[in-house]
Amino acid sequence: RKEVEQDPGPFNVPEGATVAFNCTYSNSASQSFFWYRQDCRKEPKLLMSVYSSGNEDGRFTAQLNRASQYISLLIRDSKLSDSATYLCVVSPYDSWGKLQFGAGTQVVVTP
Amino acid sequence: SAVISQKPSRDICQRGTSLTIQCQVDSQVTMMFWYRQQPGQSLTLIATANQGSEATYESGFVIDKFPISRPNLTFSTLTVSNMSPEDSSIYLCSVTSAVSYEQYFGPGTRLTVT
Repeated sequence: RKEVEQDPGPFNVPEGATVAFNCTYSNSASQSFFWYRQDCRKEPKLLMSVYSSGNEDGRFTAQLNRASQYISLLIRDSKLSDSATYLCVVSPYDSWGKLQFGAGTQVVVTP
Repeated sequence: SAVISQKPSRDICQRGTSLTIQCQVDSQVTMMFWYRQQPGQSLTLIATANQGSEATYESGFVIDKFPISRPNLTFSTLTVSNMSPEDSSIYLCSVTSAVSYEQYFGPGTRLTVT
């Protein structure tokens, strides 16, 4: 079983719509959680950290459910520029700085 | 966030040769890492680059194949040795903030081995 699992998609989303997707992680001792965005042939870029209480950054909302060991990302009012692969990333408690990546969820926003 | 540069940005190499990739950060950072992203896959951690000492390798990666240097807090190199076509991949260095777990990536080196 993979440490971090994501639905690969693609999620085809009309412009202006809302899309949400989850990721599950297997290590219950995981300490830190992130969403990264990766555009085709580019490096991953940090989108947002995910905090226990949930957090919002503009049109993006991230939630963490420790009991069920999943995190979610919601994108409101989708823009064409939101088309990308979204990587769920987890940092194990006992391995400071080391990250475990999910395989990514592809989002395609269409006009 | 730190500004990270990598050289070369891409290369095409013959099997059996070696390539050294450089990673330069614009500020002193505590942790530096090297990742690999094979075509269509997500990122896999190769090793943690330790300043002034041997790198710490993840399972499946060995020093003879991927020697790493980190002479100071802003610079590291990764060498891909005795390359085979299976080494064709994007190699990325990353750095971690000293006060959070947030990690930032360099632009990557796209390696093709023929």
